Amino acid sequence: DSGVTQTPKHLITATGQRVTLRCSPRSGDLSVYWYQQSLDQGLQFLIQYYNGEERAKGNILERFSAQQFPDLHSELNLSSLELGDSALYFCASSVGLGQSNTGELFFGEGSRLTVL
Amino acid sequence: AQSVAQPEDQVNVAEGNPLTVKCTYSVSGNPYLFWYVQYPNRGLQFLLKYITGDNLVKGSYGFEAEFNKSQTSFHLKKPSALVSDSALYFCAVRDYSNYQLIWGAGTKLIIKP
Repeated sequence: DSGVTQTPKHLITATGQRVTLRCSPRSGDLSVYWYQQSLDQGLQFLIQYYNGEERAKGNILERFSAQQFPDLHSELNLSSLELGDSALYFCASSVGLGQSNTGELFFGEGSRLTVL
Repeated sequence: AQSVAQPEDQVNVAEGNPLTVKCTYSVSGNPYLFWYVQYPNRGLQFLLKYITGDNLVKGSYGFEAEFNKSQTSFHLKKPSALVSDSALYFCAVRDYSNYQLIWGAGTKLIIKP
């Protein structure tokens, strides 16, 4: 058990809809990362938050947004969903930021999104 | 540009045989290199990392990786494969510009009894 909790584990929805994925980081970790894993795109970094503030952006679509709350949990919002958004969405956490980020990330078990 | 490559989509090994999963990288400066493993229907788990020091790094579950600067490689190895080692393996390198991890495409390791 990594200590990172993601909900829901599975989600099925229709095109055009909006969903919210939730992540609780490992106790003591201030950084939260969101990744998308699909069969054809591999593991794609979406966005990172540190102590409530956005710190780095990857290949995140404008239809997607995220935030980190004062209690350090994070939510990833996906809107105007398309079939191609079907994927596994992972949250990861780490203690540090920048240079102190040694690269050891702790991953949740993911939220599998299916868009029909 | 910094990058990491895993040249094999899949590696098949018989149980008990040694295994190698290949990774090459391209970075400016000294690399921070990582291996992660993803078991079916699970999140990624950290296996090992190289930052500095001994070129042979030991990690979890009996895995080790050898850093080779001249060949810009960081291959994952295990002397004797187990069926339970079957999983997806990712190599990653830390990006100097933003400290994010740059991920390889992953290699599916299949260990046959």
